[in-house]
Amino acid sequence: AQSVAQPEDQVNVAEGNPLTVKCTYSVSGNPYLFWYVQYPNRGLQFLLKYITGDNLVKGSYGFEAEFNKSQTSFHLKKPSALVSDSALYFCAVRDVDSSYKLIFGSGTRLLVRP
Amino acid sequence: DTAVSQTPKYLVTQMGNDKSIKCEQNLGHDTMYWYKQDSKKFLKIMFSYNNKELIINETVPNRFSPKSPDKAHLNLHINSLELGDSAVYFCASSQGQDSTDTQYFGPGTRLTVL
Repeated sequence: AQSVAQPEDQVNVAEGNPLTVKCTYSVSGNPYLFWYVQYPNRGLQFLLKYITGDNLVKGSYGFEAEFNKSQTSFHLKKPSALVSDSALYFCAVRDVDSSYKLIFGSGTRLLVRP
Repeated sequence: DTAVSQTPKYLVTQMGNDKSIKCEQNLGHDTMYWYKQDSKKFLKIMFSYNNKELIINETVPNRFSPKSPDKAHLNLHINSLELGDSAVYFCASSQGQDSTDTQYFGPGTRLTVL
């Protein structure tokens, strides 16, 4: 069965510093990986996805994610954090064994301090 | 224009009541979903419809009944509400069922059962 893990409940970073939000995955075939962001009292917003091709995927709001097959990771990154990036981030994997449903990680809260 | 919309945004009701949440998407997508986010922010799929046909039905009590009158709408009806049904319910849509398709989420409906 497909699964994703987000090992950190919270990540704290100072504004202007680079940020990384970690995600590891377990799949039985090709991985289809997604990152979403949830701002307080809002729905989930799509950031980026990895399907195939370049291991570095660029997405919305200056975010990017690096796919690493050998480490089965798909970490979300941003070179310079903004206070407005503070939100809940979800990694997700497509379950190709079960009607292609999305399986979400437990979420990582990012707190960017001024 | 809102791509995926849900009504109501907030729903407060008594145990035992029956309530409905409506979802509409104007993206021209064929596939729609309902997710439940619990108090710990954990997201889990409940149902998925493709062109008005049910394709995913997770282990959800049969008090929950989705209805898709057309492919732009997926409503969720809940009978005999229980305290444990309190959560945020998200509707989402995607172009199709393909593993590469991105899901776009609505703003959520916060259901509180008293």
